[in-house]
Amino acid sequence: DQQVKQNSPSLSVQEGRISILNCDYTNSMFDYFLWYKKYPAEGPTFLISISSIKDKNEDGRFTVFLNKSAKHLSLHIVPSQPGDSAVYFCAAMASGSARQLTFGSGTQLTVLP
Amino acid sequence: DAGVIQSPRHEVTEMGQEVTLRCKPISGHDYLFWYRQTMMRGLELLIYFNNNVPIDDSGMPEDRFSAKMPNASFSTLKIQPSEPRDSAVYFCASSPRQETYEQYFGPGTRLTVT
Repeated sequence: DQQVKQNSPSLSVQEGRISILNCDYTNSMFDYFLWYKKYPAEGPTFLISISSIKDKNEDGRFTVFLNKSAKHLSLHIVPSQPGDSAVYFCAAMASGSARQLTFGSGTQLTVLP
Repeated sequence: DAGVIQSPRHEVTEMGQEVTLRCKPISGHDYLFWYRQTMMRGLELLIYFNNNVPIDDSGMPEDRFSAKMPNASFSTLKIQPSEPRDSAVYFCASSPRQETYEQYFGPGTRLTVT
């Protein structure tokens, strides 16, 4: 039973355009969400996070949006760059569970030059 | 500042052999996590420690797997005996005590059991 779902295994975007990666969750106890980026043969790298008390968090080219009623979050990358090509993982936690992250299956983003 | 260090980066072993994976967390981090990544199951948490004490090992697949953290700067994940289905990438991650929940991952150990 997947509690965190990334339904798009892959996404291709032109350089300079917006990339939108989506994530859905089912566990209503989740109250903290993170995005990680992973290059081949490397570990996941933390990108950006959002608490359930917010609906938006921005860091440079990266913005995460949270829709609690829909149990949905999205990561926007604007403008997309070829170096952004990687696998992006959504992760969620219930902060009372002492830091146990549940990961989605990942979306492979390819930014075409 | 050094990140999470894992060794070896690659391990190839025969079925039935003992395998030991090693991890050095980021200095000052109180939490340490062991994950396994496979095509079938994705990234799954195996066990995590807080201040060197195992908190939750419910993700450890079976008794063949064990993990220790003898001090704040070192942890091991041992598989004995290893089986081909243990082939995966094993990640170690650490996290600071403050009220942010980011985990910082090592580069992983790719284990192949033949």
